[in-house]
Amino acid sequence: DAGITQSPRHKVTETGTPVTLRCHQTENHRYMYWYRQDPGHGLRLIHYSYGVKDTDKGEVSDGYSVSRSKTEDFLLTLESATSSQTSVYFCAISESPETQYFGPGTRLLVL
Amino acid sequence: GQQLNQSPQSMFIQEGEDVSMNCTSSSIFNTWLWYKQDPGEGPVLLIALYKAGELTSNGRLTAQFGITRKDSFLNISASIPSDVGIYFCAGHENAGNNRKLIWGLGTSLAVNP
Repeated sequence: DAGITQSPRHKVTETGTPVTLRCHQTENHRYMYWYRQDPGHGLRLIHYSYGVKDTDKGEVSDGYSVSRSKTEDFLLTLESATSSQTSVYFCAISESPETQYFGPGTRLLVL
Repeated sequence: GQQLNQSPQSMFIQEGEDVSMNCTSSSIFNTWLWYKQDPGEGPVLLIALYKAGELTSNGRLTAQFGITRKDSFLNISASIPSDVGIYFCAGHENAGNNRKLIWGLGTSLAVNP
């Protein structure tokens, strides 16, 4: 299994508060991705990174920002959490864009 | 965003039966991938296909990269209870600096022991 961890694994927060999720890898893979998974919507890409300090938006990027200051860490920030951001968040890593390996996920509940 | 057409949406089968699912796209892909997600876990890569017509097996799982490059199929033979989960297809179009996968919505598989 790819060495990829996510923290926290579970979080409950209140509407309007900032939240940061962390993805950490030990594989030295170039690409890192943040997805959200909701019933009926499958996996939707939020943001991705193709190198340190190189990031780009996915299809559902509004309300989210990311940062990648080191190869091993990719942070996802919800600037002001809303109830619509209640979801399960997955990080994925890959050496090439085709074959992505997923972390265990973070369950976020915004009250 | 673009999505793949994955079918069926769900299946409920008896243990020992074979299973077939497929994905179709309006675009031509260079890579097709199949993932499985167990409840409460992240998706796990099962099979990757890189060439039109390619047929690849992983134990009881067999996947094919369609000749048109617009579809892919996954078969599971002699299903067992641990096959339960959601199966996702994903495709990659090797165009420009494309770094993203296109995903199907998943096939939910339930197996009756």
